[in-house]
Amino acid sequence: EIVLTQSPDFQSVTPKEKVTITCRASQSISSSLHWYQQKPGQSPKLLIKYASQSISGVPSRFSGSGSGTDFTLTINSLEDEDAATYYCHQSSNSPWTFGQGTKVEIK
Amino acid sequence: QVQLQESGPGLVKPSETLSLTCAVSGGSINTYYWSWIRQPPGKGLEWIGYIYYTGSTNYNPSLKSRVTISLDTSKNHFSLKLSSVTAADTAVYYCARGGPTIFDPWGQGTLVTVSS
Repeated sequence: EIVLTQSPDFQSVTPKEKVTITCRASQSISSSLHWYQQKPGQSPKLLIKYASQSISGVPSRFSGSGSGTDFTLTINSLEDEDAATYYCHQSSNSPWTFGQGTKVEIK
Repeated sequence: QVQLQESGPGLVKPSETLSLTCAVSGGSINTYYWSWIRQPPGKGLEWIGYIYYTGSTNYNPSLKSRVTISLDTSKNHFSLKLSSVTAADTAVYYCARGGPTIFDPWGQGTLVTVSS
């Protein structure tokens, strides 16, 4: 089973700051890495697919990069509505797995 | 646009079988893969398994001996059965479109508590 490790686990950020969340895979997964946003009391929402591909309707301040084992989700100019937990997910090898999540709090 | 809605008992007794249904609206179940994912309270996400519209399935090995996912094309829904439940199976259960790739969209989720 591929283990995804996110860092940090928690981040407190001021609005308009830049946020960087990393996801490291225990083995190479090419670009089969996706990012989700989960707000309190809501279901996860797809943000980025295949490491860097944008999703229709998702604000352009969200972007992704990486391949192989190391991936990054970047939120440029954080807004209040971005307070959430962010998860990475790999679809390279079954069973599909998720990172443990990174909670982003707005200061 | 496709929408998913989970339904089923919110309380299940230990050793019994958890049964949930996911109703798909705004699109046909006769395409795509369809998955179940769960999230214990305050914890992360665990993929349970998926079913393809042809009926083929793939389950997480950690749950494979207890899981059955099926679909009913006439009702445009798919279902989850998890047998011999314990308190460790208490979680919010989500259904989602997708399986071997991305999960999108997701249902709103339903909390299932295992307790006597």
